Amino acid sequence: GAGVSQSPSNKVTEKGKDVELRCDPISGHTALYWYRQSLGQGLEFLIYFQGNSAPDKSGLPSDRFSAERTGGSVSTLTIQRTQQEDSAVYLCASSPRGWTSDTDTQYFGPGTRLTVL
Amino acid sequence: AQKITQTQPGMFVQEKEAVTLDCTYDTSDPSYGLFWYKQPSSGEMIFLIYQGSYDQQNATEGRYSLNFQKARKSANLVISASQLGDSAMYFCAMREGGSGYSTLTFGKGTMLLVSP
Repeated sequence: GAGVSQSPSNKVTEKGKDVELRCDPISGHTALYWYRQSLGQGLEFLIYFQGNSAPDKSGLPSDRFSAERTGGSVSTLTIQRTQQEDSAVYLCASSPRGWTSDTDTQYFGPGTRLTVL
Repeated sequence: AQKITQTQPGMFVQEKEAVTLDCTYDTSDPSYGLFWYKQPSSGEMIFLIYQGSYDQQNATEGRYSLNFQKARKSANLVISASQLGDSAMYFCAMREGGSGYSTLTFGKGTMLLVSP
């Protein structure tokens, strides 16, 4: 079946512009996650959606970052007034259950590589 | 303190040999899960194997096995019979349980290069 998809695969923008990154999770997965991976680094958690519950935004680095998930499916991560330090790969993942479950596994999309000039 | 530590920035192995990638973790939660992901140069994170804190046996998935030593808080990934296609970054991650929910915390990764 279809995995997690993300668009665009690459985005180059100028400093100060806003960008939107899209994630389509695996159908039926209730949980959706956004991570950021800077060059040569591990993954940094940004935000987590679980069903219709309020999202966990504890990982968002600043108020320039926001995300929404419409209809419990597609999610959009928005970065306003982009800065050069926002350059990274933004990865989206989804999992079947989300709520603490020992075997709940996150499946990742291919990522969006964001370059801020 | 880091929750996930991968001490090997890079590892080299010859094709068909076995290789162990180290991972230690830090948690006071009795319920947790440990994951290994592979990230090839294409960038996609590929789930490899999972180990639950209450699992009595080490997890295995094909050529991948997880050497889980709970007392030492280590969860090393063993790849048997390495293949050229195994060359990639490998990330260890932990999910802490208890009430509510939690996301994955990742280590900084180990780059594995498999030579012919």
